[in-house]
Amino acid sequence: EAQVTQNPRYLITVTGKKLTVTCSQNMNHEYMSWYRQDPGLGLRQIYYSMNVEVTDKGDVPEGYKVSRKEKRNFPLILESPSPNQTSLYFCASRLAGGLSSYNEQFFGPGTRLTVL
Amino acid sequence: AQTVTQSQPEMSVQEAETVTLSCTYDTSENNYYLFWYKQPPSRQMILVIRQEAYKQQNATENRFSVNFQKAAKSFSLKISDSQLGDTAMYFCAFMKSGAQKLVFGQGTRLTINP
Repeated sequence: EAQVTQNPRYLITVTGKKLTVTCSQNMNHEYMSWYRQDPGLGLRQIYYSMNVEVTDKGDVPEGYKVSRKEKRNFPLILESPSPNQTSLYFCASRLAGGLSSYNEQFFGPGTRLTVL
Repeated sequence: AQTVTQSQPEMSVQEAETVTLSCTYDTSENNYYLFWYKQPPSRQMILVIRQEAYKQQNATENRFSVNFQKAAKSFSLKISDSQLGDTAMYFCAFMKSGAQKLVFGQGTRLTINP
């Protein structure tokens, strides 16, 4: 089954304790990205990757790191989590396309993170 | 920078009624896509409908249709014969053609009452 998986689905942690949220897709997609969802703000992009070893900042990258060593995986790293990073996180992926083409973005199931 | 605005934080209708969710956006781009996503309590993001800006015809998917007004930068979603399973958060989103990022609105929480 074609899908984007994220782990863990739920995580409660404390301020300053490093954590990693994993994301994996089995569709051979070039593009992957991370979003965070907050009440009243919708979803905002944190980081994205256009291919292996190519990553770039989205709209809210502060406090996050990513890596893309393999095409299928795109982990989100919080080196020193803070309470303002309490949020719902989504990983997404899609095929690359030309300037005028569209390829659907597939979302993972979400990770609910609470930082105390 | 593009922005997407959903001015209705919450809406509630009776089952079988028709409901319209509003969305406006701001962009200087000419080639782009607009989307409505549904997020049920399971939190999964589900694509409901997509509209290409170059198409004048409004997109439809079964009970879901849009009213795309490009000059007014408006993109509303109409749900006909609403069902209990339509209860969810709905997000309007914009993507510039060739871009990687979706820009989302704030969301509208829709409740369908029996």
